[in-house]
Amino acid sequence: NAGVTQTPKFRILKIGQSMTLQCTQDMNHNYMYWYRQDPGMGLKLIYYSVGAGITDKGEVPNGYNVSRSTTEDFPLRLELAAPSQTSVYFCASSYRKDRGSYEQYFGPGTRLTVT
Amino acid sequence: RKEVEQDPGPFNVPEGATVAFNCTYSNSASQSFFWYRQDCRKEPKLLMSVYSSGNEDGRFTAQLNRASQYISLLIRDSKLSDSATYLCVVKGNNDMRFGAGTRLTVKP
Repeated sequence: NAGVTQTPKFRILKIGQSMTLQCTQDMNHNYMYWYRQDPGMGLKLIYYSVGAGITDKGEVPNGYNVSRSTTEDFPLRLELAAPSQTSVYFCASSYRKDRGSYEQYFGPGTRLTVT
Repeated sequence: RKEVEQDPGPFNVPEGATVAFNCTYSNSASQSFFWYRQDCRKEPKLLMSVYSSGNEDGRFTAQLNRASQYISLLIRDSKLSDSATYLCVVKGNNDMRFGAGTRLTVKP
C-alpha cells in the first residue's frame, strides 16, 4: 500500500491564483481530513469527510473548498490564494480501531507559499 | 482558551533522563485521545493512543484523567532518537484537535 499520497510536494502561488491540492489513500479508510500547519504551531483542521459524498467544516475552512466523490480521493481547492494561506498542508485518513480509537495516517505534506 | 493546550517546552534533557509532557483539553465530550510524534519537516505519526486505564508501550506511558481533562506522556530512559515534537490530539465526534506540540531534544 502507498498509504496517503499528496501532490504537489511544493508550490508557489501568486495572490489571487487558484489551485487544487490532491490527496489519495489506498487503505479504504472512510475518514479523511485536511490540516494546515503554520510554523511552530499545531495542526488546524480545515475540512474533514466521514465518507464519500459527505464533507464538513473544521476549525479554519474559510478560503478553501473540498469534495469527496470517491472513498480514495479528497482534493482541497484554494480559489483565491492569499498570503495568509502560506502553510504546510497535510492530508490524513483514518479508520476505527479496537477500543474505539481512530489512528490517523498522514501524507507527506504540501508546502505552499503565496506571494 | 485553546481546545488543546500543551506544555510550551522546549525540553532539553540528557540521554537516559525521564521526561513528562502534559496536556489539557477543554471539551468534556471528547472521546479519544492520542500522542503523535512529528519530526522536523515531516508528517505526524501516531505514537500511542491514550486509554482511561493508562497504557504503556515500552519506554512510553500515557495517562488520561477525564475528570481533570488532562493527558500525560512519560518517556523513560530517553534516547537521542526521541528528539522530536510531541503532539497531544483529542478527538470529538468526528474531528481531531491538535495541541501546538512540545519540542523535545535529547542530548548526549
